[in-house]
Amino acid sequence: DGGITQSPKYLFRKEGQNVTLSCEQNLNHDAMYWYRQDPGQGLRLIYYSQIVNDFQKGDIAEGYSVSREKKESFPLTVTSAQKNPTAFYLCASSIKENQPQHFGDGTRLSIL
Amino acid sequence: EDQVTQSPEALRLQEGESSSLNCSYTVSGLRGLFWYRQDPGKGPEFLFTLYSAGEEKEKERLKATLTKKESFLHITAPKPEDSATYLCAVQAFEAAGNKLTFGGGTRVLVKP
Repeated sequence: DGGITQSPKYLFRKEGQNVTLSCEQNLNHDAMYWYRQDPGQGLRLIYYSQIVNDFQKGDIAEGYSVSREKKESFPLTVTSAQKNPTAFYLCASSIKENQPQHFGDGTRLSIL
Repeated sequence: EDQVTQSPEALRLQEGESSSLNCSYTVSGLRGLFWYRQDPGKGPEFLFTLYSAGEEKEKERLKATLTKKESFLHITAPKPEDSATYLCAVQAFEAAGNKLTFGGGTRVLVKP
């Protein structure tokens, strides 16, 4: 079955530690996105990539970094510079601009 | 700046009691309006895309409609399995990276 796989489902970060969230898709979609979801708030865009080896900052990119070395993969690193990282992180992909984005099942990140 | 406001924040329904969810939006030029369903601990699941005022789409007990300023998601004779958070998002023609702007969602609980 085609889809988006995010791992791990739960992740814990210690102070000063960088952590990486995985996102893999087998839908052959060009565009991939990372969103952050906080309780009672809408999803907010962190980074997006429309093509391999290219990515752009979204609305809340500070403290995060990404790479897009393969079409199928778009990992997100939450760095120690992100002071409030506790949230539900969602990865999405889409085939082209006016088509719906399809989401993975998220990674919940918490601070130890 | 694109904005999406969903109301009510929460809705409790008896099984079979029809109701409507509202999504009000302001956007520079609407490319598409998207409805998603999200279950607890899961990623959003795509339901509908609406592109122009007057358009309607249906799927089982759900019907989405669109005007120039708002969209409604009508739930007809809901069942307990319709309990979820429903998210609305807009995409503007000029949106960088084709990003979606999300509302805060409406939590729907359908009691048997």
